[in-house]
Amino acid sequence: TQLLEQSPQFLSIQEGENLTVYCNSSSVFSSLQWYRQEPGEGPVLLVTVVTGGEVKKLKRLTFQFGDARKDSSLHITAAQPGDTGLYLCADPSRTYKYIFGTGTRLKVLA
Amino acid sequence: GAGVSQSPSNKVTEKGKDVELRCDPISGHTALYWYRQRLGQGLEFLIYFQGNSAPDKSGLPSDRFSAERTGESVSTLTIQRTQQEDSAVYLCASSFSGGGETQYFGPGTRLLVL
Repeated sequence: TQLLEQSPQFLSIQEGENLTVYCNSSSVFSSLQWYRQEPGEGPVLLVTVVTGGEVKKLKRLTFQFGDARKDSSLHITAAQPGDTGLYLCADPSRTYKYIFGTGTRLKVLA
Repeated sequence: GAGVSQSPSNKVTEKGKDVELRCDPISGHTALYWYRQRLGQGLEFLIYFQGNSAPDKSGLPSDRFSAERTGESVSTLTIQRTQQEDSAVYLCASSFSGGGETQYFGPGTRLLVL
């Protein structure tokens, strides 16, 4: 059974700082998705990466897919309080039976 | 257009009672999913509906859990004889079709079993 481990579990930083969170798999991903879940809301898809070594940028967020397709990272530059939330990675390769990681809970302090 | 809606947003119940959770998917979405999210954990797949096909119930944790969907619209998740370990956020999502399409999530129902 594939496991998705995310680290760190919790992260509290000051506004303006940079941060990186990680998602690691016990097996190779065919593709990987990152979601953000704000308090009291459902997860919202941020990005899908499909190619080993791929880098995608979404404003201040940079997503990287490892060359070996077993890991991914999300880097946030100059974090803002609005970035606060739970960041989840997911493997959508089993069509509808997504496997979600346990998440990184980020708090950005003003 | 309107997103996925769920009701109630919060539910507190006593151990042993039955609860019914409702999900209204995005209009036109044929696929509907239910997930459970325990405190501090990721999402756990429960059940998947796709059009008129038989649902995939393989994620339901026990026979106390059941779900129905009326055509391609509303779905209800029923938990009978609730237990304290059923306390969690129950999330519903829908997608235009199955097979890896982007899933759009509702805000969830927070269930607390006392």
